[in-house]
Amino acid sequence: QKEVEQNSGPLSVPEGAIASLNCTYSDRGSQSFFWYRQYSGKSPELIMSIYSNGDKEDGRFTAQLNKASQYVSLLIRDSQPSDSATYLCAVLPKPRTGTASKLTFGTGTRLQVTL
Amino acid sequence: ETGVTQTPRHLVMGMTNKKSLKCEQHLGHNAMYWYKQSAKKPLELMFVYSLEERVENNSVPSRFSPECPNSSHLFLHLHTLQPEDSALYLCASSQESTAWVDDEQFFGPGTRLTVL
Repeated sequence: QKEVEQNSGPLSVPEGAIASLNCTYSDRGSQSFFWYRQYSGKSPELIMSIYSNGDKEDGRFTAQLNKASQYVSLLIRDSQPSDSATYLCAVLPKPRTGTASKLTFGTGTRLQVTL
Repeated sequence: ETGVTQTPRHLVMGMTNKKSLKCEQHLGHNAMYWYKQSAKKPLELMFVYSLEERVENNSVPSRFSPECPNSSHLFLHLHTLQPEDSALYLCASSQESTAWVDDEQFFGPGTRLTVL
């Protein structure tokens, strides 16, 4: 079983719709969860972090975390063509014993927002 | 662009060449990372340096050799690479503490490496 799983997509949504991106993880001890956006040919850009169960909203983005189900999602409201990118889920898989955070990434979900 | 820079942005090398990738962070962070990104694969953590000390190797082949002379600079020395090493190499940095929150990593633009 992969440590962090995402549907590779592409996920196609029309402009103005809500895009829902999902991620599951295998390590129950995971503490921190991140969503990165990566445009083609570019490096990942952090867009959301979440540490507690429930929802966290930032503008058009909402991250949702359910540790009991080992599930984290990202909702993008009012999707725009500029949101078309690959979205990477990253998880801090174990309690950190040192001073460096060793994130585990999923393969990413490619989102296409159509006009 | 974030406060993490990488040079060169593109590199083509033969299998017998020796080259180095450079990363510099201007964010005052105390941890730096090298990742490899290949097509259709998750980001692979290669090396982690925390406070200039290497804390993670992740079984990377010895043809990749990291160097971290100070908390702002990170190098990846390459020699006798194989064509399957062609990938996007990403550097990242973070400010680490004992707190759980804010383990956010910030990435540089990457070096696109092609090994012929």
